[in-house]
Amino acid sequence: TQLLEQSPQFLSIQEGENLTVYCNSSSVFSSLQWYRQEPGEGPVLLVTVVTGGEVKKLKRLTFQFGDARKDSSLHITAAQPGDTGLYLCAGGLYKLSFGAGTTVTVRA
Amino acid sequence: GAVVSQHPSWVICKSGTSVKIECRSLDFQATTMFWYRQFPKQSLMLMATSNEGSKATYEQGVEKDKFLINHASLTLSTLTVTSAHPEDSSFYICSARLPGFIDEQFFGPGTRLTVL
Repeated sequence: TQLLEQSPQFLSIQEGENLTVYCNSSSVFSSLQWYRQEPGEGPVLLVTVVTGGEVKKLKRLTFQFGDARKDSSLHITAAQPGDTGLYLCAGGLYKLSFGAGTTVTVRA
Repeated sequence: GAVVSQHPSWVICKSGTSVKIECRSLDFQATTMFWYRQFPKQSLMLMATSNEGSKATYEQGVEKDKFLINHASLTLSTLTVTSAHPEDSSFYICSARLPGFIDEQFFGPGTRLTVL
């Protein structure tokens, strides 16, 4: 089983601030996915990164895949209350391994 | 595209009864679906892999006789919690694997099970 470590576990920030969530592993992944989950709902796929060193942008969200394909980060610029949720990184061939998740709270 | 539905979204049952949860891929065919369990403020825990036309593969520690999985078609997998007990109360989420070069899974909205 490929393990993914996410940090921090919790993040509480004021609206307008920036934040970064990290996802690290000692294993190489062919791809990594980032999901956002709101209470009582299923995870929603935000992005899939495939190429080492890849950077993908989704509005105010920037995703990076490490050169060695062992780590990834999610950066949110000017966070808004609507960004509040549980962010999960996941990776693996066929079966996904999930990080423990980062609970992000953006205060208005 | 890649929409997955679950039914019911929530269910309350008495201890000892069985509950069936359906997972459907609405706009694609999924030979593989996955069933997860999630406890409050925790990540997803994979319970089993559901393969169309064959037996499900269960993760270590998951009782196959308690959590029955049937993948009868390319768009439907069901999870039946048999003889449910209060400790089975949880949030159950399914996902469907979208065939392709990249392994991506798309998740259903989840089913909240409460066993009294």
